[in-house]
Amino acid sequence: AQKITQTQPGMFVQEKEAVTLDCTYDTSDQSYGLFWYKQPSSGEMIFLIYQGSYDEQNATEGRYSLNFQKARKSANLVISASQLGDSAMYFCAMRTFYGNNRLAFGKGNQVVVIP
Amino acid sequence: DTEVTQTPKHLVMGMTNKKSLKCEQHMGHRAMYWYKQKAKKPPELMFVYSYEKLSINESVPSRFSPECPNSSLLNLHLHALQPEDSALYLCASSQEVSGIQETQYFGPGTRLLVL
Repeated sequence: AQKITQTQPGMFVQEKEAVTLDCTYDTSDQSYGLFWYKQPSSGEMIFLIYQGSYDEQNATEGRYSLNFQKARKSANLVISASQLGDSAMYFCAMRTFYGNNRLAFGKGNQVVVIP
Repeated sequence: DTEVTQTPKHLVMGMTNKKSLKCEQHMGHRAMYWYKQKAKKPPELMFVYSYEKLSINESVPSRFSPECPNSSLLNLHLHALQPEDSALYLCASSQEVSGIQETQYFGPGTRLLVL
């Protein structure tokens, strides 16, 4: 079974500050992929960043970086220099080799960026 | 161009109506997905198509009927829905259906209200 845990309550972040969103996962598979998506109030799920379980380097995409700690089974998303447009729900998700092609989502973190 | 389009954006229907949701992608992806998302919850997988064939049906009630007319199009036919079916319906696509690295790209969704 695969499980994603996102437990932070809603967060308020000052514009231009960095924010870290926590994600822990549980799987017995050795091969898995971790994804972060952003969902603004408009509804679209926007892909942000991917980290493979065998990737040695932490993934980065522009202002997004993934703090991957394999031994702790955590894949935290770091957003640097927050912008007002970063206000959204953020979902951590995982695919595993034996997960039958399903993308398992966490419950999400709500982020509100304030000026 | 990572774009998945969905029509309509909003839909209101009565319980006796028949309507269809449409999804289109032109990225050459061979896997397409339907998800249902309730407010403040993560998306729930409904159906997966791989190479235009239905590969996963997550025990969805028969009042939801998917169709994949070609590799770019995915429809969801709705008939005799219940008020609890009101939700955001998201379509997604990925290059292939299997593979831990396969990123799913989502459309903007259709907000459905069943009266």
